Amino acid sequence: GAVVSQHPSWVICKSGTSVKIECRSLDFQATTMFWYRQFPKQSLMLMATSNEGSKATYEQGVEKDKFLINHASLTLSTLTVTSAHPEDSSFYICSATSGLYNEQFFGPGTRLTVL
Amino acid sequence: AQSVTQLGSHVSVSEGALVLLRCNYSSSVPPYLFWYVQYPNQGLQLLLKYTTGATLVKGINGFEAEFKKSETSFHLTKPSAHMSDAAEYFCAVSGSGANSKLTFGKGITLSVRP
Repeated sequence: GAVVSQHPSWVICKSGTSVKIECRSLDFQATTMFWYRQFPKQSLMLMATSNEGSKATYEQGVEKDKFLINHASLTLSTLTVTSAHPEDSSFYICSATSGLYNEQFFGPGTRLTVL
Repeated sequence: AQSVTQLGSHVSVSEGALVLLRCNYSSSVPPYLFWYVQYPNQGLQLLLKYTTGATLVKGINGFEAEFKKSETSFHLTKPSAHMSDAAEYFCAVSGSGANSKLTFGKGITLSVRP
């Protein structure tokens, strides 16, 4: 149980385009989802916390207009990288949890490369 | 506020040797502590966690960790390393709420020599 998926697993896009990444909880209802960014050989940095049906809470330094997060249902959250640039290239990982659990469950990650 | 310190960036052990990965934390509230493993280009897999109760916790793949409040530590150990243990290991801390944020250490790369 407690499986989280991400789609796509990798994506290559041109500079200036927008990319949407999906995060789904497959076998539980996730009241809260988190989005992380990981640079090569570095740790995970929390970008934002999203609660179903409400606006995401962004960490300091994360541009909310660039990284749009939507958590419209209890099983789906999306991260849209708008007007992507090469510096947005990174590994994006989501996690999900609910009041039933005392841990976050992580997705497999999405590798974004912006050319 | 909370933070995690993982000293060193790389640990190398021989196959069959003891694995010890150190983690120290700071937290203004009673902590929940986690160890995760990450293989290249993959997400995080939970090895073990401490929430409450027994301070020695056992996880998957033969790993265990002991919560020592007086030392603010949560070191990860495995008696005998296997080649498949080579990966990146992250220690993390959160508060007790279900929606609490996780704060990660910078990670340690474990190499296992034949």
